[in-house]
Amino acid sequence: GENVEQHPSTLSVQEGDSAVIKCTYSDSASNYFPWYKQELGKRPQLIIDIRSNVGEKKDQRIAVTLNKTAKHFSLHITETQPEDSAVYFCAARSVKAAGNKLTFGGGTRVLVKP
Amino acid sequence: GAVVSQHPSRVICKSGTSVKIECRSLDFQATTMFWYRQFPKKSLMLMATSNEGSKATYEQGVEKDKFLINHASLTLSTLTVTSAHPEDSSFYICSARRDEGTEAFFGQGTRLTVV
Repeated sequence: GENVEQHPSTLSVQEGDSAVIKCTYSDSASNYFPWYKQELGKRPQLIIDIRSNVGEKKDQRIAVTLNKTAKHFSLHITETQPEDSAVYFCAARSVKAAGNKLTFGGGTRVLVKP
Repeated sequence: GAVVSQHPSRVICKSGTSVKIECRSLDFQATTMFWYRQFPKKSLMLMATSNEGSKATYEQGVEKDKFLINHASLTLSTLTVTSAHPEDSSFYICSARRDEGTEAFFGQGTRLTVV
């Protein structure tokens, strides 16, 4: 089955700097890659996603890149703000996965220091 | 986005009792719902996939007789933790989606504490 690895597990950045989180996946049949933000005790919220037919997608301060050949994708947050502090999860969905389920990475705890 | 509501948000129960958690899609019909378990500072671990009108598909290592899942309608799935033990204490989250290939939306989670 699909295996998703996420790095780093923790990331501390100064307000205004950029944050980059990287994920790799194992199943070449994966075609959908969402990113979720989860604040403490809250539900995961989809912040951006990318499908395998594009290499990059941007939404204001957030961007995601996908390299299908290398089977990795990354989340980029620019001009970080304290409210960006949260746990971020990447995920991948394979067309072969039973139930079309998502496989999540281990998460990255991001701390933006004012 | 669509709204998924999970109830209760917190529950404390005694060892040996059963607890039912509800997951409702409020403004759409969900053909599929997913149940996850999340340990502190850990990722979401898929427990089972629930399709309306059929038996749930459980992930390897998840006891189907302990975690009973029912998806009787297109807007409601329930997870019952039977004969709960302290090690079942965790954060349980559901997600729901309309159709295969569409985005899944998460409920707010249920923090279960078994004492």
